Amino acid sequence: GQSLEQPSEVTAVEGAIVQINCTYQTSGFYGLSWYQQHDGGAPTFLSYNGLDGLEETGRFSSFLSRSDSYGYLLLQELQMKDSASYFCAVKDRDDKIIFGKGTRLHILP
Amino acid sequence: DTEVTQTPKHLVMGMTNKKSLKCEQHMGHRAMYWYKQKAKKPPELMFVYSYEKLSINESVPSRFSPECPNSSLLNLHLHALQPEDSALYLCASSQGRVSYEQYFGPGTRLTVT
Repeated sequence: GQSLEQPSEVTAVEGAIVQINCTYQTSGFYGLSWYQQHDGGAPTFLSYNGLDGLEETGRFSSFLSRSDSYGYLLLQELQMKDSASYFCAVKDRDDKIIFGKGTRLHILP
Repeated sequence: DTEVTQTPKHLVMGMTNKKSLKCEQHMGHRAMYWYKQKAKKPPELMFVYSYEKLSINESVPSRFSPECPNSSLLNLHLHALQPEDSALYLCASSQGRVSYEQYFGPGTRLTVT
């Protein structure tokens, strides 16, 4: 089966950097994705890592270590609008996306 | 056009009602999905359509009936729902089933009374 672990909540200050970790256990691994969801909104795709290493997209970066079954999302220069829930997700061998329970990011002014 | 649209935005229905949720995308995506999301929980996959054929049913009760009339449209027919079915129902699409990036619609907030 699949399981993904991520912290339930993280708090950071505006302008700072925050890292949201995700560890996973899967029967077969086909990549780690990250989604952002604001309250009342739809999930929005942020990034994908299929291979080890860092992927950077503007203020957001995502890292993957397949040997450690671990990844993280790094958010830099935090803005109040980054307050949202962040989900890591993996694809299983049936091409289904399985979401982690989500990390609620609180940003303090 | 990178948008997935869903109607209605909100729906209140009684346990004996029949209603339908609609989803549309014009990105040429060949895979479409229905998810259910409860408050403060992750989206849970319900159904996957690939090239207009149902490819995954995650053991969803028969009171939920999906339909894919064409490659741009996805419906979810609801009948005899229970109060615990109240949730946000999200539609998503991707280029194909193997695609890792899914585009989500804004969802339909369903309340069953």
